[in-house]
Amino acid sequence: SSELTQDPAVSVALGQTVRITCQGDSLRNYYGSWYQQKPGQAPILVIYGQNNRPSGIPDRFSGSSSGNTASLTITGAQAEDEADYYCNSRDSSGNQVFGGGTKLTVL
Amino acid sequence: EVQLVQSGAEVKKPGESLKISCKGSGYSFTSFWIGWVRQMPGKGLEWMGIIYPGDSDTRYSPSFQGQVTISADKSISTAYLQWSSLKASDTAMYYCARRVSMVQGVYYYYYMDVWGKGTTVTVSS
Repeated sequence: SSELTQDPAVSVALGQTVRITCQGDSLRNYYGSWYQQKPGQAPILVIYGQNNRPSGIPDRFSGSSSGNTASLTITGAQAEDEADYYCNSRDSSGNQVFGGGTKLTVL
Repeated sequence: EVQLVQSGAEVKKPGESLKISCKGSGYSFTSFWIGWVRQMPGKGLEWMGIIYPGDSDTRYSPSFQGQVTISADKSISTAYLQWSSLKASDTAMYYCARRVSMVQGVYYYYYMDVWGKGTTVTVSS
């Protein structure tokens, strides 16, 4: 299967920790990547590979992977982290596939 | 600075053709795959397909095969997404993104590190 499944919405209290998950068969073979998208903006990469952050991404963002599940964890969520988060992985055809996205609300 | 600069917003009528562009700069354009992503109003990101400008090898997601054409002109570091006959349902934001591939141990991973700002396409009679 080339589908990736995410919870549609997650909420977290300011300063607390939240985990966003992504499930799919392709994650057994390829590490996923995570993208943050705020309203009216293009997506930006926040996590790639085993647990790598691009320059400029705060260290409160981290990633992990086990079996067919990839996870994005925000430790000490901030108001500015409120956004849509999408996982992505390569599929067997050489293309990529996105999860449906998770809307994160910071309370 | 690595950049992908996309062409401007388009307003078209159903049945018209359209070609939007994505120009890369600040890196070797022929060495990285370029992908196209659709985002319909209020919806999530959808992967459309990908092209390797070095040899124009192209892969389409099943949902978009036959609906659009992805191409590239490496002489001007530009990738394209085109439609031969637009429909109202093509109304969306379209992003291009550079795909990086790496190996870590026995694992391969792929990610999109640079994105264009997007091109809005509106199809309405």
